[in-house]
Amino acid sequence: AQSVTQLGSHVSVSEGALVLLRCNYSSSVPPYLFWYVQYPNQGLQLLLKYTTGATLVKGINGFEAEFKKSETSFHLTKPSAHMSDAAEYFCAVIYNAGNMLTFGGGTRLMVKP
Amino acid sequence: EAQVTQNPRYLITVTGKKLTVTCSQNMNHEYMSWYRQDPGLGLRQIYYSMNVEVTDKGDVPEGYKVSRKEKRNFPLILESPSPNQTSLYFCASSFLGEELGYTFGSGTRLTVV
Repeated sequence: AQSVTQLGSHVSVSEGALVLLRCNYSSSVPPYLFWYVQYPNQGLQLLLKYTTGATLVKGINGFEAEFKKSETSFHLTKPSAHMSDAAEYFCAVIYNAGNMLTFGGGTRLMVKP
Repeated sequence: EAQVTQNPRYLITVTGKKLTVTCSQNMNHEYMSWYRQDPGLGLRQIYYSMNVEVTDKGDVPEGYKVSRKEKRNFPLILESPSPNQTSLYFCASSFLGEELGYTFGSGTRLTVV
């Protein structure tokens, strides 16, 4: 079955440090790729998405992600972490026609002062 | 305001007592879906609907029912809830067209005792 893997269920960084959250998908056909963020006691909010075109995608709150077909990856980065970035982040893909969104297991980002 | 509305936000119930979680969207989306979120497992799809009167099973449909009599509504029905259905549930909707991503509701936290 096609899947999405997020490496690291918990990631801790210091405020001001680089944020790197990893996501790999399993398909030879490039899917549509998404990152969602979930703040405590809230629903999911779309951070950014890749559909076609430029492989470096910029999203909200200073986040960006790069689609690398050769590595089947779509890692999320932010140059400088802020306390308000503490949340759970989900990578998700749509592999084919039918709209079904498949999620990774999520990564909880903690930001230390 | 474009949104997906779920009710209730919190629900505690007893084993075997039928319940319905409502979901309504005001964006004229064709596609609607239910997910459950459990720690370490990310979000898993329960059921989805491509349009009125068209529904299909997702990855974890056992113990759940849905209906889609109107385009805007997609209720989730638990005929005989069990403790393993204690979870956080999200409804989501989108236009048919994979690149657009989903809009999520705020979630329903269900506890079955």
